Amino acid sequence: DGGITQSPKYLFRKEGQNVTLSCEQNLNHDAMYWYRQDPGQGLRLIYYSQIVNDFQKGDIAEGYSVSREKKESFPLTVTSAQKNPTAFYLCASRWTGSSQPQHFGDGTRLSIL
Amino acid sequence: AQSVSQHNHHVILSEAASLELGCNYSYGGTVNLFWYVQYPGQHLQLLLKYFSGDPLVKGIKGFEAEFIKSKFSFNLRKPSVQWSDTAEYFCAVEYPGNNRKLIWGLGTSLAVNP
Repeated sequence: DGGITQSPKYLFRKEGQNVTLSCEQNLNHDAMYWYRQDPGQGLRLIYYSQIVNDFQKGDIAEGYSVSREKKESFPLTVTSAQKNPTAFYLCASRWTGSSQPQHFGDGTRLSIL
Repeated sequence: AQSVSQHNHHVILSEAASLELGCNYSYGGTVNLFWYVQYPGQHLQLLLKYFSGDPLVKGIKGFEAEFIKSKFSFNLRKPSVQWSDTAEYFCAVEYPGNNRKLIWGLGTSLAVNP
């Protein structure tokens, strides 16, 4: 089945550690997105990429980094510079043609120990 | 600034009641509009979308939404809700010239009592 796979489902991090969240899609989508979802705050865009080897900052990029070396993969690293990393992280992808909807993975819940 | 407003943060209904969730956006030009739903423990999925044409669009599971350009609104409706409609509902707007990024509302949490 085509879809978006995020791993792990749950992730725990110690203070000062960097952690990387995986996002893989086999939908042949061009664009990929990372969102952070906090209760009552909706979805906030962290980073997005419309093509391999290119990505742009979203609204809350500080403390995060990404790479897009392959079309199907868009990993997100939560660095120690992110002061409040505990959240639910969602990865999405879409074709970049006109008016295509985004498709979402199941998310990764990150908690600080 | 581009923004999306969902008026109801929490809604509680009984089964068979009618549902209407409000969504307004700030820009008056051509936009693409979406409603997504997130059932408990599941991923976000598309309920329906509006790009052009008939302003009344029908989605999955009996949902529909009406685009009213003069009111900058895209309200979601369902004539008779079921317990299985318990979920969080998000309105999102794609503004032109914005690298096709979506602007999201804060979401509405719907609880349907059996």
